[in-house]
Amino acid sequence: EAQVTQNPRYLITVTGKKLTVTCSQNMNHEYMSWYRQDPGLGLRQIYYSMNVEVTDKGDVPEGYKVSRKEKRNFPLILESPSPNQTSLYFCASSSAREQYFGPGTRLTVT
Amino acid sequence: KQEVTQIPAALSVPEGENLVLNCSFTDSAIYNLQWFRQDPGKGLTSLLLIQSSQREQTSGRLNASLDKSSGRSTLYIAASQPGDSATYLCAVKNTGNQFYFGTGTSLTVIP
Repeated sequence: EAQVTQNPRYLITVTGKKLTVTCSQNMNHEYMSWYRQDPGLGLRQIYYSMNVEVTDKGDVPEGYKVSRKEKRNFPLILESPSPNQTSLYFCASSSAREQYFGPGTRLTVT
Repeated sequence: KQEVTQIPAALSVPEGENLVLNCSFTDSAIYNLQWFRQDPGKGLTSLLLIQSSQREQTSGRLNASLDKSSGRSTLYIAASQPGDSATYLCAVKNTGNQFYFGTGTSLTVIP
């Protein structure tokens, strides 16, 4: 079954404590991306990757890092999380036809 | 920068009605436009994708149109059902490979 998996699904952390949200896809897609979803602002793209070792900033990259060492994995790293990064995060992978989304990670930074 | 707007923000209709959701975008240099459905607490499910060279796509009771020159897309849902209740999002992929989403239309279909 084609799918995008994210872990963890829920995370509560404190300001400044580094965290990583993992993302993995089993469709051999070259394009992967991360979004955050906030009420009234919709989904905004954080980073995207066109292929292994190729990453680019999206609309709201500040405070985030990504890496793409393997085609299937695209982790999102928050080196020093702050309360304004409290949000619902989605990972997605894309073929030329459509995007497939993971189930989301709800992050709360206190 | 691309801006995507969806109107209305919320819509409530009785079961069986046909309805239209609207999406507009400011930069016509797009690669494609995609409509998604999002159920509460869930991820996004792709409904229809229209390439920039296409005018419309159909899947079952859904029909999406694209007028790239005017920066508009519509999603037509025929014979609405309570199971169609969800938030509908449109997203454009620009020629620079970035995606931009609208804030969505929350649809409620009343039995």
